[in-house]
Amino acid sequence: DAGVTQSPTHLIKTRGQQVTLRCSPKSGHDTVSWYQQALGQGPQFIFQYYEEEERQRGNFPDRFSGHQFPNYSSELNVNALLLGDSALYLCASSLVADYEQYFGPGTRLTVT
Amino acid sequence: SQQGEEDPQALSIQEGENATMNCSYKTSINNLQWYRQNSGRGLVHLILIRSNEREKHSGRLRVTLDTSKKSSSLLITASRAADTASYFCATPIKAAGNKLTFGGGTRVLVKP
Repeated sequence: DAGVTQSPTHLIKTRGQQVTLRCSPKSGHDTVSWYQQALGQGPQFIFQYYEEEERQRGNFPDRFSGHQFPNYSSELNVNALLLGDSALYLCASSLVADYEQYFGPGTRLTVT
Repeated sequence: SQQGEEDPQALSIQEGENATMNCSYKTSINNLQWYRQNSGRGLVHLILIRSNEREKHSGRLRVTLDTSKKSSSLLITASRAADTASYFCATPIKAAGNKLTFGGGTRVLVKP
C-alpha cells in the first residue's frame, strides 16, 4: 500500500515564475491538505481539498491555488513566485472524518 | 499565529539518555498529536492523545496531556542516534476540516 507521494522532490524556480506541485494521497483517503514549511519553522496550513473543492484555507494569498482530481490526487499552484515562497511544501492525506493525517516526503522549492 | 509552542527549541543528549520536550497550546482541543521530522523531510505521525486522556505510551514514547494547563509533554526513553530529528506537536481544528496547527518544533540531537 503506497503512502502519500509527492512530485517533484526538488524544484528551482526564478522570481515571477509559476510552479505546480503534485500529490497522490494514501490509498483510501479522500482529503488532501497542503502545508508550507519554511526553514526552521513548523508547517503552516495552506488549504484543504475534499470532493474536488477547497474546504478550508489558511492565511495565504490568492497566488496559491489548488485543485483536486476525481481520483483524489491534488495539485498546488503558486503564481508570481517570490523569494519568500522558498520552502518545503508538504501534502497530507486523510479521511474527511479522521483526525490522523499522513504526510508525504515533501517538495523542496527554491526561488532564486 | 501558531497554536502550539514547543520547549525547548533544541536539545542535545547522549545516546541512552531520556529526552523530554513540552508543548503549550492556546485553545481547547479534542486531541493533540506529536510528529517527527527527519532532515527536513516528511512528517511521521508518532502518537495521538485525546483530550480525555492524561497519559499514553507507544514503545519508547510517553506522552502526557494536561488540559487545565493547556500543555503536553513527549518523553523519549533510552534515546538512540536514530531519534535525532525535529519533533512537533499539532492540534487539529475540527471546525476547520481538522487542519493541523503546528508549533515551531524541538530539534533533538542524540550523540552516540
